[in-house]
This record gives sequence, structure tokens and C-alpha cells, in this order.
Amino acid sequence: EVQLLESGGGLVQPGGSLRLSCAASGFTFNTYAMTWVRQAPGKGLEWVSTISLSVGSTSYADSVQGRFTVTRDNSKNTLYLQMNSLRAEDTAVYYCARCDYTRKTDFDYWGQGTLVTVSS
Amino acid sequence: EIVLTQSPATLSLSPGERATLSCRASQSVSSFLAWYQQKPGQAPRLLIYDASNRATGIPARFSGSGSGTDFTLTISSLEPEDFAVYYCQQRSSWPLTFGGGTKVEIK
Repeated sequence: EVQLLESGGGLVQPGGSLRLSCAASGFTFNTYAMTWVRQAPGKGLEWVSTISLSVGSTSYADSVQGRFTVTRDNSKNTLYLQMNSLRAEDTAVYYCARCDYTRKTDFDYWGQGTLVTVSS
Repeated sequence: EIVLTQSPATLSLSPGERATLSCRASQSVSSFLAWYQQKPGQAPRLLIYDASNRATGIPARFSGSGSGTDFTLTISSLEPEDFAVYYCQQRSSWPLTFGGGTKVEIK
């Protein structure tokens, strides 16, 4: 059974940093691209970042470019999102999702999400 | 950036009725469009990929159609568990984008 378990969310002050983790199990992690999607309270879904199955290729939304960094450790089956210079508008539930094996840019399994709150 | 506009924002229907949801793209996305369902407090679930293909385990009452800029998600006969928010997502070009969602609520 595919499982994705996010952790690392919490309350952080504006300008602060946080690192999210997503522990994957039930599939061969190093053969799938992975993605972060976020959802502000009461709002819709926003794609944040995607990383290819190796660490060589990453993409970011303009809203987080230069502040967020996505990485993965295939030896630990874990996806990360390093978030720096956090702003109030980054407050959201952050989901990690597995990219479809063939299509790579839609998302067939999702974690339950971790809440990030940016506030003083 | 490709903007996806979903309509209506809210659809009020009764169980057993047919639901028709629309997603319009600001430029052609060919058939590279997916639909997701999200229930309160839950993660989204992939329903349809590439405009008209049901994802694994999705009931046949869900169907998708369209290409280019206009897409439709149809639920042929609403079950109680289908009342939720539905999002479209394009994968034609970066950045990947989602529509704003359509809430299907019980009338």
C-alpha cells in the first residue's frame, strides 16, 4: 500500500525557516517524481514544486522560487521541502504527492498534509 | 501561466441527479487535464487523467470529456459520498496550475 506521511509543520514567525519531510513507503521511491502542493485555509490547491526521480531536475512556482528548495534522499525514501524567508501568505496545509509514473505531472497518491502557520 | 476557470463555483443537487462541472483553460492544454476530488479534512484524490481516463478504482459514474480549452467532468448519478469539492489541473506547461474548484453540495 502506497503511503506518504508528511511532518515538520508548525508555527513559525515571518522571515523564519522550516523543513518539511515526506516519508514514502509501499512503492519504489527512486522511480517516481514527487511534488509538493499547498492549500491555504479555505482556499484551493496550489502547486509548489516538483522534483524528478533523481535530484537533477526541479521546478518551482514563481511564488516560492528562490525561497523554497525541494530535495529527496532516495536512500531514506524521503522527500523534503526547505522553506526560507517565510511569509504570512505561505500559511497552508502542505501535501506531498506522488507523480504518476508515466505522465509525471499529475498526482496519483497524496499524503494527509502538514499545516504550516506563518505568524508573529 | 495557464489559468483554469471552473464553473459553477457551487452546484446544489440531490442524490441521484446528474452533475456537470466545467473547467476552461486560458489557452489550449490539449488533453493534458486531470480532475481531483477533495472531501473536508482529506487529501485530494485523482479521478480523471488526460481529460477522459478514469484513475484506478474510480467508479464508472465519473466521466471526463473535452480537449483544447473546454473540459467537463460528469457524475452520472450522485451518490452521498460524491458531495465534495472538485478541482481540475493542467499539465500542459509549467507552472502546473489548478482551477479554483467547484463545490458539489446537497440540495
